[in-house]
Amino acid sequence: EVKLVESGGGLVEPGRSLKLSCAASGFNFNDYWMGWVRQAPGKGLEWIGEIKQDSSTINYTPSLKDKFTISRDNAQNTLYLHMSKLGSEDTAIYYCVRPRVLGHGSFFDHWGQGVMVTVSS
Amino acid sequence: DIQITQSPSLLSASVGDSVTLSCKASRYIYNNLAWYQQKLGEAPKLLIYHTNSFQTGIPSRFSGSGSGTDYTLAINSLQPEDVATYFCQTYYSGNTFGAGTKLELK
Repeated sequence: EVKLVESGGGLVEPGRSLKLSCAASGFNFNDYWMGWVRQAPGKGLEWIGEIKQDSSTINYTPSLKDKFTISRDNAQNTLYLHMSKLGSEDTAIYYCVRPRVLGHGSFFDHWGQGVMVTVSS
Repeated sequence: DIQITQSPSLLSASVGDSVTLSCKASRYIYNNLAWYQQKLGEAPKLLIYHTNSFQTGIPSRFSGSGSGTDYTLAINSLQPEDVATYFCQTYYSGNTFGAGTKLELK
């Protein structure tokens, strides 16, 4: 069974940084792209980005490219999201996802339970 | 960027009804469309991709159709467990989600 478990969320002050983790199990992590999607409270879904199996390609939504960094550790079956210069607009549930990546986009067939990040002083 | 408009934003229906949810793209997306179901307090779940291909385990009362810019998710014989918010997403030229349709029971 595919399992994605996020951690590292919580309350963070504006302007600070935070790093989320996603522990993957139930599949061969090395064989799959991985990614992140977020959802502001009571709002819709926003794709953040995705990383190729060997980290050679990382795609981001343009508005977050300078603030967020996606990385992975295949030896630990773990995906990361480093977020910097956080603002109130970044308050959201962050989901780890396993995308099916096509040439022009991707859809998401497995999701973690999500982790809440609240940006507030 | 492709814009996605879902309608209605809120849909009330009774158990046993057939309902249709709409998703309209700002330009052609060539069937590159997925539907997700999100129950309260849970993560989204993929229902359908490529407009009408089922994810494993999805009940047959769900179906997807459409072409060009206009796509629909149909639910036949609505069940209480179908109460959720439904999001569509295009993956043609990047990834964009609609704002969702909240489906509730009358």
